[in-house]
Amino acid sequence: DGGITQSPKYLFRKEGQNVTLSCEQNLNHDAMYWYRQDPGQGLRLIYYSQIVNDFQKGDIAEGYSVSREKKESFPLTVTSAQKNPTAFYLCASSKDGTNTGELFFGEGSRLTVL
Amino acid sequence: QKEVEQDPGPLSVPEGAIVSLNCTYSNSAFQYFMWYRQYSRKGPELLMYTYSSGNKEDGRFTAQVDKSSKYISLFIRDSQPSDSATYLCAMSAPRGSTLGRLYFGRGTQLTVWP
Repeated sequence: DGGITQSPKYLFRKEGQNVTLSCEQNLNHDAMYWYRQDPGQGLRLIYYSQIVNDFQKGDIAEGYSVSREKKESFPLTVTSAQKNPTAFYLCASSKDGTNTGELFFGEGSRLTVL
Repeated sequence: QKEVEQDPGPLSVPEGAIVSLNCTYSNSAFQYFMWYRQYSRKGPELLMYTYSSGNKEDGRFTAQVDKSSKYISLFIRDSQPSDSATYLCAMSAPRGSTLGRLYFGRGTQLTVWP
C-alpha cells in the first residue's frame, strides 16, 4: 500500500536535546511538507520541499531544520533552539508543488518535552 | 489578519442533523478550495475538492464556494456519529502566485451524538 510513514508516533525529549522525526513516502510524490499542529491553532507550515535537494522555510521555521537528500524521505530535526517544541507534527506529500492537488498526510508524531 | 478564518467550535449536534461548517478568506487569488477531515490522533484526509466557485456534492457532503463573498461552506446531511472529527478548510492559489502554498483554517471540532 502506498502512503506516508512517520516515526516515531510518540517521542519524549528532555530540554536541550535535538530530536529527529522521520517521514518516508512511497507515493513517488515530488513535494513534501512538515506541519505543526497545536490545539486551537490549526496547521502551521514549518518547511516544505518541492524537489530533491531543495527546500524552503514555512511560517514557523525557527528552531527546526530539514534535509531532502532522497525523493522518498524528508526528516525534520527539532533543535534545542525551538522554544516550545511540544506539539503534534504532521508530514505530508503531494504529487507536485503546485498546491492545486491533494495533500496526503502521515499519522503524525507527538513530541513532548519534559 | 489571517489568510483563512474558521470558527474552531466545538460544534455538537444530534444524529441526523444538517451540519454547516464555514470559512472566510481575505485574498481573492485563492482558486482551489478543499475540506479535510481529521479524526482524533490521526492525520487529515481530503474530503472535498473544489475549483473556483460553485457547488460540489459527494454523497451526504456538499461543498460550496462563493468567491464574491470570499466564503466557503461544507454541509453534512443526515450526520452520523462517525462524522465526529475536526474539519479543516484549506485553499491555494495557482502556481506562480505569491501565495504559492496551501493555507489552512484552524479547524472546527464536530461531535455528532446518537
